[in-house]
Amino acid sequence: KNEVEQSPQNLTAQEGEFITINCSYSVGISALHWLQQHPGGGIVSLFMLSSGKKKHGRLIATINIQEKHSSLHITASHPRDSAVYICAAPGGDSNYQLIWGAGTKLIIKP
Amino acid sequence: DGGITQSPKYLFRKEGQNVTLSCEQNLNHDAMYWYRQDPGQGLRLIYYSQIVNDFQKGDIAEGYSVSREKKESFPLTVTSAQKNPTAFYLCATRQGAEDEQFFGPGTRLTVL
Repeated sequence: KNEVEQSPQNLTAQEGEFITINCSYSVGISALHWLQQHPGGGIVSLFMLSSGKKKHGRLIATINIQEKHSSLHITASHPRDSAVYICAAPGGDSNYQLIWGAGTKLIIKP
Repeated sequence: DGGITQSPKYLFRKEGQNVTLSCEQNLNHDAMYWYRQDPGQGLRLIYYSQIVNDFQKGDIAEGYSVSREKKESFPLTVTSAQKNPTAFYLCATRQGAEDEQFFGPGTRLTVL
């Protein structure tokens, strides 16, 4: 069964700072997911990537398949980026299941 | 308006009562999921369904039951056998195992 670990668990930064959240997994995968959970509880899919890098606005996700590691970067961070960021990788008894990281709680101070 | 609907947003029940949480989707996705989230914790899989009339237990299925009679609907029943049912319940869908997962807005269940 895949194991997914995220770091840091909590991150507080000032507005404008460059943010990096890390995710590592133990078993080779086809794709890794990054999601965002808003303070109200809603979850939004940010990226699903299997190689290289993807960019959406100020968010950038990278993955190194050989090292079993992915990073989520936020450039020019803003208080509205404050949320929990979660990575997930395929695993479990079926390839339909995802193994979820514990999440990184990000707070951006104005 | 496409998406995943969960109702109600907040639900209160007395201890010992069964309660059914609704999840409806019009994304035409084959796979549907139920997750539980406790305060400050990550997601835990309760049940999932890859296709109509089929479903599998997740990591914490005890005290829960589901049905998948229609592609668009995957209701979750929290039974009186669930020892600590108060939690945030999230429904999700995917087209297939290689696709993104999309989430509904969630239902906060409080058992008094």
